Amino acid sequence: QKEVEQDPGPLSVPEGAIVSLNCTYSNSAFQYFMWYRQYSRKGPELLMYTYSSGNKEDGRFTAQVDKSSKYISLFIRDSQPSDSATYLCAMRVSGNTPLVFGKGTRLSVIA
Amino acid sequence: DSGVTQTPKHLITATGQRVTLRCSPRSGDLSVYWYQQSLDQGLQFLIQYYNGEERAKGNILERFSAQQFPDLHSELNLSSLELGDSALYFCASSTSYSQPQHFGDGTRLSIL
Repeated sequence: QKEVEQDPGPLSVPEGAIVSLNCTYSNSAFQYFMWYRQYSRKGPELLMYTYSSGNKEDGRFTAQVDKSSKYISLFIRDSQPSDSATYLCAMRVSGNTPLVFGKGTRLSVIA
Repeated sequence: DSGVTQTPKHLITATGQRVTLRCSPRSGDLSVYWYQQSLDQGLQFLIQYYNGEERAKGNILERFSAQQFPDLHSELNLSSLELGDSALYFCASSTSYSQPQHFGDGTRLSIL
């Protein structure tokens, strides 16, 4: 079993839809959780950074962490064609341990 | 623009050769990280440096090595290249090893 599992998609939604992206993980020691967005031919761009369980909101983006279920989610409200990208979850045990990434979910938002 | 600069953007070479990838971190960032991204493995952590010293090692092959120089730029050296080394190589930097990492746009390495 891989440490971090992420459905690769592709996921295709109409403009304006609410998008839900998810990752599951096996290592209960993970405490720091991140979501990155990666456009084609670009590096990953940090979207959300959370510590431990709970929700964090930033504009149209909401990150949720459920440590009891070892499950994290990213919600995108009012999705736009410019949100079309690959979304990577990442996590680590502590501040000075390496990041472990999911393989990414490819999202297409259709106008 | 993340502020992390990687050169070259694309490198084409042959099996058995050696290449050097370069990374300039964001101004003020002391930590540099190297990752390899392939379709089947996703983003894999290779190695981390902090202020010139190696801090952590991931799935880095013995044929690969890296260093961070006094001006904080870093180089990743790949030798005895094999077809399977074809991938995107990313550099990321952060102010310290506990802070979020910011990625460059990568170097695409193609082995013919």
